[in-house]
Amino acid sequence: DAGVIQSPRHEVTEMGQEVTLRCKPISGHDYLFWYRQTMMRGLELLIYFNNNVPIDDSGMPEDRFSAKMPNASFSTLKIQPSEPRDSAVYFCASAAGRGGTDTQYFGPGTRLTVL
Amino acid sequence: AQRVTQPEKLLSVFKGAPVELKCNYSYSGSPELFWYVQYSRQRLQLLLRHISRESIKGFTADLNKGETSFHLKKPFAQEEDSAMYYCAPSEYGGASKIIFGSGTRLSIRP
Repeated sequence: DAGVIQSPRHEVTEMGQEVTLRCKPISGHDYLFWYRQTMMRGLELLIYFNNNVPIDDSGMPEDRFSAKMPNASFSTLKIQPSEPRDSAVYFCASAAGRGGTDTQYFGPGTRLTVL
Repeated sequence: AQRVTQPEKLLSVFKGAPVELKCNYSYSGSPELFWYVQYSRQRLQLLLRHISRESIKGFTADLNKGETSFHLKKPFAQEEDSAMYYCAPSEYGGASKIIFGSGTRLSIRP
């Protein structure tokens, strides 16, 4: 298994543009998490899904951010319109929901720069 | 509110010296606690979890419920231990929400 896959690895865009980040979790994992990492705020949980259903989106900063998980092998995080303060590294992680096995497996991240 | 605190942003020690990365948490109930590590140019990954009571790469972490602490320790630091370390409590049972601390960057000097 290649682990969690994220694309693109780097994204540079201009303010106001729509940005879509993609994630493929590890096959068989039923939890998927989206995080944002910045120097100022560290690693923040944005939203997580269980069996493709959003469970907690309290970390999504505002309505410009949206996330979907149309099936067990794919999720997107969309920012529309993007702003310079959205510049960060966005991580996706997946986990199996068996009790006591909370290990989250992280993707390599997408480094987003909004000019 | 649930909270985790890593008071040191940067910790620099000499090779061979003992290391202690501090973590304090404020949680209701009985959280499960983890340490995650991110080496340079690598993915964030699990280092150890308190429920396993294991030593990974020479690191151990003891849960002190009285002090609500979960400090990470290693008796003799090695250069390859240089990395970013995150303390992370989660609600017990299942792969539920984890709150990551702000992280401590450990730098091992030769």
